[in-house]
Amino acid sequence: QQQVKQSPQSLIVQKGGISIINCAYENTAFDYFPWYQQFPGKGPALLIAIRPDVSEKKEGRFTISFNKSAKQFSLHIMDSQPGDSATYFCAAPNNAGNMLTFGGGTRLMVKP
Amino acid sequence: NAGVMQNPRHLVRRRGQEARLRCSPMKGHSHVYWYRQLPEEGLKFMVYLQKENIIDESGMPKERFSAEFPKEGPSILRIQQVVRGDSAAYFCASSPLAGEVDTGELFFGEGSRLTVL
Repeated sequence: QQQVKQSPQSLIVQKGGISIINCAYENTAFDYFPWYQQFPGKGPALLIAIRPDVSEKKEGRFTISFNKSAKQFSLHIMDSQPGDSATYFCAAPNNAGNMLTFGGGTRLMVKP
Repeated sequence: NAGVMQNPRHLVRRRGQEARLRCSPMKGHSHVYWYRQLPEEGLKFMVYLQKENIIDESGMPKERFSAEFPKEGPSILRIQQVVRGDSAAYFCASSPLAGEVDTGELFFGEGSRLTVL
């Protein structure tokens, strides 16, 4: 069974600051690590994902950094905005590659 | 192109009653996943289905819970004899691909929120 550990559980950042959320996974035969964003009352939606033929992927203000040897990856949100306030989930495929195991989530609040 | 449709969005049941949650995947998607989200917790995998087949139900409780995805119609998650601990948000996700999540994203519905009194 895949285990994904995410930290911190909650995060408060000032507008314009950098938000950093970390994830650690156990084992996976499939290299694909997505981050999902969930607003209150809504379903999660894919934010950004990385396939670790690269160690970093950037899309706008969002960057994933990946450390394969440490089995860790992180999400960085640059210039954080109040509209980024949401719950963020990292995920990793299970060993069969047929479903995603999610981390426990990080509730991000960006203060104006 | 409609997204993943779940209904009901909110459901209230008394202990011992049955809850039926429905999920219509996105058009063209034949793979459905059910996840449960307890208050202030993460998403826990329950079951993965393709049309008329349960592929992986390793996250389903052994009793009272069942799921199906018939040839025609939505996928249904059924909870018999509900207890207060079943109160949660139940999310359905669909994928167009051959069950390999590393090749694409899961598209989630907005969830069905079950409250057991």
